[in-house]
This record gives sequence, structure tokens and C-alpha cells, in this order.
Amino acid sequence: GAGVSQSPSNKVTEKGKDVELRCDPISGHTALYWYRQSLGQGLEFLIYFQGNSAPDKSGLPSDRFSAERTGGSVSTLTIQRTQQEDSAVYLCASSQDPGTTEAFFGQGTRLTVV
Amino acid sequence: RKEVEQDPGPFNVPEGATVAFNCTYSNSASQSFFWYRQDCRKEPKLLMSVYSSGNEDGRFTAQLNRASQYISLLIRDSKLSDSATYLCVVNPTGGKLQFGAGTQVVVTP
Repeated sequence: GAGVSQSPSNKVTEKGKDVELRCDPISGHTALYWYRQSLGQGLEFLIYFQGNSAPDKSGLPSDRFSAERTGGSVSTLTIQRTQQEDSAVYLCASSQDPGTTEAFFGQGTRLTVV
Repeated sequence: RKEVEQDPGPFNVPEGATVAFNCTYSNSASQSFFWYRQDCRKEPKLLMSVYSSGNEDGRFTAQLNRASQYISLLIRDSKLSDSATYLCVVNPTGGKLQFGAGTQVVVTP
């Protein structure tokens, strides 16, 4: 595609439910990043993929959070048993070469846990 | 110490004035540097890459100081549309992107 695509753009869920957030990176981009951003705050790193492997998942806040990437392309971030503090915008970015090139962001998924 | 640090601001700038701010990074092996711009409730977008020799793009000038481990962004002739949060991004060799928390710039009429 022309850019990084994320779905859904908005998600409202009840506390305790599981949610899946999807990221479609730019074709050919090997690196994929997940961040989250609470209102008025900076970007919080969650996980980084190089191909299908995740060399750095240090930012996942708890074991309720998991992510996978298949075929070196689409990635899914799953949050189990959602809590109100999980409410944030979840941003995905991809880059062609993680060492040198810039990353491009999707428009994000705004998650609200009620 | 945070890996990438920025003055959060806000920097209140009269229209037409010049504003400059820095970003410091802790990993001396870092190879790539970028400035991103983020508008309210929008995703970050690349403003410019930062090259070793410094580079300019219109009213924007970026500099890299490896010895002191900081990068800078200067905006000349500020426009109202320059109001945004500017994110410093550092990319260590082969590693994940490291984002600063951002510097807020508010350009006033």
C-alpha cells in the first residue's frame, strides 16, 4: 500500500475484554514498531520487529500484551483482559532498514476501555 | 538518564521570529537522526533527517554535534502553521527507534 495502515481506527471496549489491533506496514519494510501514546504524553515504545522476529519487546507493559508478525508483513497487537489504563492511541510504524532509514507512521488506533 | 531527552517547552514564539531547541542522546554509537513533527491528535510525520554536516530544508535547519551528543532544530521566520510538537528520533545502529518526548512550539500572531 501507499502508507502504513492501521485498523480499526477507533475501538471502544469493555473492561476485561480482549482486543486485537492490526498494522499493515509499507510493502518491503522489514522493521515494524508499536508505540502507544496517552493524551498529552510522549510516545511509549512497546515492541519492535525485524522481519517476523521481535528482538526487542522490552516495552510491553505486562503479560496481557502480546504481538506477532507474520510473513514479514502484517502485525497484530493483542491486549487481553483490557483495563482502563490501556486507553490510549496505539501507533504502528515501519521502516525499510532499521539502521538508517526513517520510519513512517500509521494513523493509529484510538482505544477506549470503558 | 533517558536515552533521548528534549526540553518539553512550550516555546512561545512570535510569528516571524526564530526558534531553536536541542535534543540530547546517550548512545554514542547512534548513526541516524531525525526530526519528526506531531500535530495535536495526529501521528508523527518526518520533518527532516539530520546529516553529519548539518542540513537545511527551507526555513528549517538541523545540526548534529557528535562530540556533545546532541542534535538541534532551528526554525526561521516562524509561521502559525509551525505550531506543533517536534520529536527528536535517534536510531542506534541496527536498533529500534528512540523517541524523545517532544518539544512543543506555539507560534503566536
